[in-house]
Amino acid sequence: RKEVEQDPGPFNVPEGATVAFNCTYSNSASQSFFWYRQDCRKEPKLLMSVYSSGNEDGRFTAQLNRASQYISLLIRDSKLSDSATYLCVVNPGYKLSFGAGTTVTVRA
Amino acid sequence: ETGVTQSPTHLIKTRGQQVTLRCSSQSGHNTVSWYQQALGQGPQFIFQYYREEENGRGNFPPRFSGLQFPNYSSELNVNALELDDSALYLCASSLPGTNIDTQYFGPGTRLTVL
Repeated sequence: RKEVEQDPGPFNVPEGATVAFNCTYSNSASQSFFWYRQDCRKEPKLLMSVYSSGNEDGRFTAQLNRASQYISLLIRDSKLSDSATYLCVVNPGYKLSFGAGTTVTVRA
Repeated sequence: ETGVTQSPTHLIKTRGQQVTLRCSSQSGHNTVSWYQQALGQGPQFIFQYYREEENGRGNFPPRFSGLQFPNYSSELNVNALELDDSALYLCASSLPGTNIDTQYFGPGTRLTVL
């Protein structure tokens, strides 16, 4: 079983729409959780950390459910610039474990 | 930007050859991790160095090896290259200590093995 599993998408949404997607992780001892954004052929960049209480950063909302080992990301009022691959990332100890990514394309 | 640089940007090698990839971290970042990202996949952890010692390793064979130097630079060496080694190789440095949550990624080296 993979450490982090994501729906690969792609999610193809119009500008202004809301899009949400999830990931699950296998290691219940994981300590911290993140969403990274990766543009085509570029390095991953931290989008936001994910906290148990849920957290928002502008149009982005992340949720963590430790009991179900489930993380979600919601993007409101999508912009063209939100088109990217979103990587779910879990820290089970001394490394970062990445999912394969969910591709989001926002169309005009 | 992150202040982490990698060289070269792109590299083409043939099967069986050896390659050395380089990473220069931010000053004071004494932890560096290396990742392999194959096309369509997320980055996979190769290993981590802390204060010039290997501090953890992922599921990669011994032909993947590394070094970290006192000046916060590091190397990833891959011997006996295979076609499946074609990937984007990323290094990431972390703030002092063993907390690797805040990782700063370099732009990567794209390796093609023919």
